[in-house]
Amino acid sequence: DAGVIQSPRHEVTEMGQEVTLRCKPISGHDYLFWYRQTMMRGLELLIYFNNNVPIDDSGMPEDRFSAKMPNASFSTLKIQPSEPRDSAVYFCASSFHSPDTQYFGPGTRLTVL
Amino acid sequence: GQQLNQSPQSMFIQEGEDVSMNCTSSSIFNTWLWYKQDPGEGPVLLIALYKAGELTSNGRLTAQFGITRKDSFLNISASIPSDVGIYFCAGRRDSNYQLIWGAGTKLIIKP
Repeated sequence: DAGVIQSPRHEVTEMGQEVTLRCKPISGHDYLFWYRQTMMRGLELLIYFNNNVPIDDSGMPEDRFSAKMPNASFSTLKIQPSEPRDSAVYFCASSFHSPDTQYFGPGTRLTVL
Repeated sequence: GQQLNQSPQSMFIQEGEDVSMNCTSSSIFNTWLWYKQDPGEGPVLLIALYKAGELTSNGRLTAQFGITRKDSFLNISASIPSDVGIYFCAGRRDSNYQLIWGAGTKLIIKP
């Protein structure tokens, strides 16, 4: 079975541009998590969904960040406008029934110039 | 907010040595988890602990849920090169479903 799929794997963009990161969770999983990882701040939970409904978005840095989950097999994280400080690796993870055993995708490395 | 203090931040060890790391909190957790992140990949769950005092092994890895429920420990015996990576602890309280993550312990094996 395929694991969590994220695209793109790498994104380089210029400050002010809109960035959309995509995630396909493991089929049947009912939790989906978006994380950001940087050297300075480590692994940060941005938002998570249960059954496609956002449960906690308190980790979303500011209004420039938004996340959607229109159906059980797809989620997006959008940054508009992007800033250099948004440069990080963004991970999507999914789990079934419990948030404990999370399966992480390979991540998207975002560089904002 | 809730925080997990993970130590050490990094470890330089020789192949074959045993490794110990821990995670502490000022709050009680009902679940402790240990994940490992290989370079260029996402974290992978190694061990899950659900009961105070519980000791669980996964091959050469052994983790313990502290009696006070405010800490957890991970030991790796006879380290090998593929053990390199970042080890994260994470805790969860029943009051909400969000995992609280430690900052990670980076394990480096000296050649």
